[in-house]
Amino acid sequence: LAKTTQPISMDSYEGQEVNITCSHNNIATNDYITWYQQFPSQGPRFIIQGYKTKVTNEVASLFIPADRKSSTLSLPRVSLSDTAVYYCLVGDIRAGNTPLVFGKGTRLSVIA
Amino acid sequence: ETGVTQTPRHLVMGMTNKKSLKCEQHLGHNAMYWYKQSAKKPLELMFVYNFKEQTENNSVPSRFSPECPNSSHLFLHLHTLQPEDSALYLCASSQVQGGDTEAFFGQGTRLTVV
Repeated sequence: LAKTTQPISMDSYEGQEVNITCSHNNIATNDYITWYQQFPSQGPRFIIQGYKTKVTNEVASLFIPADRKSSTLSLPRVSLSDTAVYYCLVGDIRAGNTPLVFGKGTRLSVIA
Repeated sequence: ETGVTQTPRHLVMGMTNKKSLKCEQHLGHNAMYWYKQSAKKPLELMFVYNFKEQTENNSVPSRFSPECPNSSHLFLHLHTLQPEDSALYLCASSQVQGGDTEAFFGQGTRLTVV
């Protein structure tokens, strides 16, 4: 199971772009990189997933370099409602042998 | 609405009580999970069921007893809990061998042991 390392916390002002980087040096060939968002007292919510290069959806972008040993979640123009904990997970849950293990995540605080 | 429903949303129980948490998923998934999240701490994976069979038990005390009668339902039976067991208990589901590539979580049950 690939271990991930993320910053414990980040602060940002409203309207700025936020980039959260996750290191996963031991990522396996079949592993996907998935990011979840969690608000207080709620379950985590899927944000974005990728395998390589760049993925973009209506919420965020995910940048993955060629060696796949890290990834960067990019949140454009954050607002106060983006204050949450963001988790980076590496694995392939479809395989059934990679339980969903969450690390400490990155606590993002957006300031007005 | 994520397709994963947990009941009750809030539960207060004494240390000598027996209660059960329920999780139901309407997504056709075949894997279900229980997590515990104490205040301002990371999610702790407790149990995993794939195809109704328990595949993970992360050294959880026996006062927590899971049950998975079918692939859509997951229970967590609680008895003789301790105050430190007070936490948010989250259920999740996913699809093993094809299908969705992400997990879906319920809203959680906020448990307080008094």
